[in-house]
Amino acid sequence: GNSVTQMEGPVTLSEEAFLTINCTYTATGYPSLFWYVQYPGEGLQLLLKATKADDKGSNKGFEATYRKETTSFHLEKGSVQVSDSAVYFCALSDHVDTGRRALTFGSGTRLQVQP
Amino acid sequence: DVKVTQSSRYLVKRTGEKVFLECVQDMDHENMFWYRQDPGLGLRLIYFSYDVKMKEKGDIPEGYSVSREKKERFSLILESASTNQTSMYLCASSPLPNTEAFFGQGTRLTVV
Repeated sequence: GNSVTQMEGPVTLSEEAFLTINCTYTATGYPSLFWYVQYPGEGLQLLLKATKADDKGSNKGFEATYRKETTSFHLEKGSVQVSDSAVYFCALSDHVDTGRRALTFGSGTRLQVQP
Repeated sequence: DVKVTQSSRYLVKRTGEKVFLECVQDMDHENMFWYRQDPGLGLRLIYFSYDVKMKEKGDIPEGYSVSREKKERFSLILESASTNQTSMYLCASSPLPNTEAFFGQGTRLTVV
């Protein structure tokens, strides 16, 4: 079956530090990949996505590249801010198992940015 | 902007009660989903619906049922609430299957 594995948190960084949150996946076929962010007390918001191998998704200074050869979709940001403190979820959609229709999520990684 | 609205932010219910969680979306999406979110487990799919009156079980349907009588509304029902159903419940919708989903703000349910 499909699965998404994320690095465990919390990840604690100082403001302006470089961020990497690792995400690897197992899927049939060629899934689309997503990063969602959840700020405290809120639902999930789509941060970025990539639909095919070697695509790079980007938004708000965050980037992630779809690496088919390593089945990875790591999230990066060059300089984090306190306002980036949130929980980040990696997810995939399976275009082969069309009966499922829903995304499969990782366990989430909490990021804490200190001033 | 797509808006997905869940009827309550916080609920406290007693063991054995029947609990209804309501979700409404305003973008005419075909697909709607209920997830529960627990620390260390991420989001797990409970049920989804791809049309009015149509529903499919997700990964953890036990103890839950759903209802979709209108396209914009998807309800999650806990027939007899138990303490292990204390969790954050998230509703989502999407226009097409296997595409990005739009989430509500979540309902934090506590069963005592």
